[in-house]
Amino acid sequence: AQSVTQLGSHVSVSEGALVLLRCNYSSSVPPYLFWYVQYPNQGLQLLLKYTSAATLVKGINGFEAEFKKSETSFHLTKPSAHMSDAAEYFCAVTIGGTGANNLFFGTGTRLTVIP
Amino acid sequence: GAGVSQSPSNKVTEKGKDVELRCDPISGHTALYWYRQSLGQGLEFLIYFQGNSAPDKSGLPSDRFSAERTGGSVSTLTIQRTQQEDSAVYLCASSLAGWEMDIQYFGAGTRLSVL
Repeated sequence: AQSVTQLGSHVSVSEGALVLLRCNYSSSVPPYLFWYVQYPNQGLQLLLKYTSAATLVKGINGFEAEFKKSETSFHLTKPSAHMSDAAEYFCAVTIGGTGANNLFFGTGTRLTVIP
Repeated sequence: GAGVSQSPSNKVTEKGKDVELRCDPISGHTALYWYRQSLGQGLEFLIYFQGNSAPDKSGLPSDRFSAERTGGSVSTLTIQRTQQEDSAVYLCASSLAGWEMDIQYFGAGTRLSVL
């Protein structure tokens, strides 16, 4: 069963348009949630993380995500896309515990920004 | 300062051969992680080293996979008798403390191709 679901393996937006990347999860334990970005030929970089503080989390490069427990979602947004935002984005969630082996990643969403 | 370094960046091997993948974590980081990223899949946890504690090997897919971390620094992931399904990108990450308390920093990965 899929524990972390990223809806849409590819998303295209126009430069300046809203970016919305979706992440839903299944967990019975209050989770930690993360968004990572991977640029070509680079390692993953943390964009933001939620660890039980404010439900709206602000990250780097103008991204933010809102933890909605009732919807089991942690969607990533940015008001205005830049060309430099083109990359692959991964949602990660702790499921079934908070050990290192409880961190599950989604399959990723590749964001294309159209000039 | 230097980030997480992985070598080689690409490795092509023949089915049945053994391979060693190396990870140099950020200096001073006590925690080290290995993940596997197969095509179209999310990151799959393999193993976690934390200080002098026994490693969490719960993610290793078979006994052909093993990992060591010498002197609390460099780590080597060894795959014996490689199979075609082992083809993937192997990612290493490190963090200053346990992962719950600190950010994971990822290397660029080793792309393994088993022919």
